[in-house]
Amino acid sequence: AQSVTQLGSHVSVSEGALVLLRCNYSSSVPPYLFWYVQYPNQGLQLLLKYTSAATLVKGINGFEAEFKKSETSFHLTKPSAHMSDAAEYFCAVSEGNGNKLVFGAGTILRVKS
Amino acid sequence: DGGITQSPKYLFRKEGQNVTLSCEQNLNHDAMYWYRQDPGQGLRLIYYSQIVNDFQKGDIAEGYSVSREKKESFPLTVTSAQKNPTAFYLCASSIQGEGWETQYFGPGTRLLVL
Repeated sequence: AQSVTQLGSHVSVSEGALVLLRCNYSSSVPPYLFWYVQYPNQGLQLLLKYTSAATLVKGINGFEAEFKKSETSFHLTKPSAHMSDAAEYFCAVSEGNGNKLVFGAGTILRVKS
Repeated sequence: DGGITQSPKYLFRKEGQNVTLSCEQNLNHDAMYWYRQDPGQGLRLIYYSQIVNDFQKGDIAEGYSVSREKKESFPLTVTSAQKNPTAFYLCASSIQGEGWETQYFGPGTRLLVL
């Protein structure tokens, strides 16, 4: 069965610093991978997705993620953090059977001025 | 504007009461989903539906019920059998042409128990 582990329930960075949010997955088949962002009391917004094309995926708001099969990872990065990036981020995996997304527990990103 | 709407934003339930959460989409998406979100636990799937008049249980369906009479609508009823209903409930939808797996979310409903 597929699963997702997000390392670090809370990550704190300074404004302008590199953002790195870690996601490792397990899947018995080539996975589809997603990153979502959630602002307080709001729904989830799709940041980016990997669906077996290019391994480096660019998303909205300057975020990108790299699929590394050998490490079963899909870490999310952004070169320079902005105050507006403060939110909770969720990694999710699907084995492509149609309907099921499995979510990680989430990482809350804090950006310090 | 195309999107997913959920109502109400906040909902209060009394002991022993059934309550219904609304989810409507005008994206012409085929599939719709209900998730429950609790702090530190991510999202857990309650029910999903790929076509009208058909739906499947997710991982935590006990104490919940759904219907899919129209493509645009997928209401969730939290029954009195759900002993711990306090949570944030998220509705999502997806379309086969974009890969069922790419789901788009509504703004959520927060359910609180009085």
